Amino acid sequence: GDSVTQMEGPVTLSEEAFLTINCTYTATGYPSLFWYVQYPGEGLQLLLKATKADDKGSNKGFEATYRKETTSFHLEKGSVQVSDSAVYFCALSDLISNQFYFGTGTSLTVIP
Amino acid sequence: DAGVTQSPTHLIKTRGQQVTLRCSPKSGHDTVSWYQQALGQGPQFIFQYYEEEERQRGNFPDRFSGHQFPNYSSELNVNALLLGDSALYLCASSLGPPSYNEQFFGPGTRLTVL
Repeated sequence: GDSVTQMEGPVTLSEEAFLTINCTYTATGYPSLFWYVQYPGEGLQLLLKATKADDKGSNKGFEATYRKETTSFHLEKGSVQVSDSAVYFCALSDLISNQFYFGTGTSLTVIP
Repeated sequence: DAGVTQSPTHLIKTRGQQVTLRCSPKSGHDTVSWYQQALGQGPQFIFQYYEEEERQRGNFPDRFSGHQFPNYSSELNVNALLLGDSALYLCASSLGPPSYNEQFFGPGTRLTVL
């Protein structure tokens, strides 16, 4: 069945460091891929998405590229800020069933 | 716009009891999905409602059931509670299928089963 495997955390970075959070997926069809973020004390919110191979999703300086050949959707940011401290979830959606599959989440802490 | 709201915020039940959780979708949204998020895990899809019918279901037993009302609000019912049902229950709403349209999450209901 469909699934998402996400880099385990927690991850601690200094401000302005480069961030990569790895995400790979298994899917029988051609899913849409998502990154969701959960800031402390807040609900899950969509960060970015990509709906087909080679698409790049981007938002708030974060980027992720849908790589069909490596079944990956790694999240990157060139220079993290303290305000990026949150839990990040990779997810895929089966376009036929509309079911969502989430990874286990990666906690990021950015220190000044 | 209040966004997605859920009630109650917290709930404590004992094994064998039944529980009902409620969700009001974001204004204008017609599709509601429910998720279970165990501590330290990602959300797991329970089921999705559209036009007052269950459209999709994840790998959850029949003890988990739901309902969607004409105003698009929704309820999640869990019967014969088990200790393992302790989790954060999230409701998400979207306008149409969430694969194509952004889904917005509520803050969740924290259920503790003793």
